[in-house]
Amino acid sequence: AQSVAQPEDQVNVAEGNPLTVKCTYSVSGNPYLFWYVQYPNRGLQFLLKYITGDNLVKGSYGFEAEFNKSQTSFHLKKPSALVSDSALYFCAVENNNDMRFGAGTRLTVKP
Amino acid sequence: DVKVTQSSRYLVKRTGEKVFLECVQDMDHENMFWYRQDPGLGLRLIYFSYDVKMKEKGDIPEGYSVSREKKERFSLILESASTNQTSMYLCATLQGGSYEQYFGPGTRLTVT
Repeated sequence: AQSVAQPEDQVNVAEGNPLTVKCTYSVSGNPYLFWYVQYPNRGLQFLLKYITGDNLVKGSYGFEAEFNKSQTSFHLKKPSALVSDSALYFCAVENNNDMRFGAGTRLTVKP
Repeated sequence: DVKVTQSSRYLVKRTGEKVFLECVQDMDHENMFWYRQDPGLGLRLIYFSYDVKMKEKGDIPEGYSVSREKKERFSLILESASTNQTSMYLCATLQGGSYEQYFGPGTRLTVT
């Protein structure tokens, strides 16, 4: 069975600094990997996905993620954080129509 | 844009009550899902449906049932609500052949 781990419950960064939200996965076969974001009192919104091809995936709001097969990781990154990026971020892995979500990482960007 | 709506944003029910959570989508997606979201646990799949009148159990179906009589509507039913079912409930849809799920705004259910 596949699983996703987000090792950090909370990430704090200063506005303008780069941010990284970590995700590792365990799956047999080729994974489909996703990042979703949840703003306060709202449902999850799709940010980006890796299905195949280039290991660096670009998504919404300036976010990107790098698929690293050898380290089984799919970390979310942004070169310059905004206060409005503060939200709850979920990594997910899908295999054979079975999608698993991580526990979530709360990102706080301070002015 | 895909629109997924849920019948209530906040709901308070008493232990033992029967609770209905409704989800409606307007994009003709085949697949619909019910998750519950709890702090530190992420999203856990309760039930999903790949077609009308079709349902499959997810990881935590105990205490829940679902109904999909029409393609656009997927209902989650708590037959006899219990306090451990206090949670945020999220509905999602997925078009066949796609990978991106679309989520509703969620229903925060409190069972007292």
